[in-house]
Amino acid sequence: SQKIEQNSEALNIQEGKTATLTCNYTNYSPAYLQWYRQDPGRGPVFLLLIRENEKEKRKERLKVTFDTTLKQSLFHITASQPADSATYLCALDMSNTGGFKTIFGAGTRLFVKA
Amino acid sequence: NAGVTQTPKFQVLKTGQSMTLQCAQDMNHNSMYWYRQDPGMGLRLIYYSASEGTTDKGEVPNGYNVSRLNKREFSLRLESAAPSQTSVYFCASSEGGQGSYEQYFGPGTRLTVT
Repeated sequence: SQKIEQNSEALNIQEGKTATLTCNYTNYSPAYLQWYRQDPGRGPVFLLLIRENEKEKRKERLKVTFDTTLKQSLFHITASQPADSATYLCALDMSNTGGFKTIFGAGTRLFVKA
Repeated sequence: NAGVTQTPKFQVLKTGQSMTLQCAQDMNHNSMYWYRQDPGMGLRLIYYSASEGTTDKGEVPNGYNVSRLNKREFSLRLESAAPSQTSVYFCASSEGGQGSYEQYFGPGTRLTVT
């Protein structure tokens, strides 16, 4: 079965540093991969989408990479700020399976200290 | 433009009671989804509706039913609530049903079944 792994341990970094979060997956080759941000008590909010033929995607201080050989995506936040503290979810497109559309990882909690 | 709205925000049920969670979106999206989120687990798809008039089971449909009332509204019904259904429920919508479309989430309904 398909599986997504995100680091369940929280990531603690100092303000101004680059945060790097990892999303690994097995048994599937998604055409798209998405990253979402979720704040406590709220619904997830879309951040970035990357296609399988794109190695890297950037949006302001955010950068996502997609390595289909390693079956891994990395999510970077440069010049991190305390306001970046949240849980970050990765999500894989499953539409090629003909069944469920998207599956989500459990997320990694990021804490940015001032 | 309210995006995706959900009611109620909180609910406590006794085992065996029934209830309906309401969801509406004002973005003219074709696809709508119901997820549940439990601690340490990713969002799990309960049911989805690729377009008005269609519904399909997701990963964890047992104990739930859905109705796509019109293009705007997608409701989730628990016929006989069980403690295992204690969770946070999110409704989401997207322009299309493929994984290339970002999903917009509602604020969630926190349900406790005693």
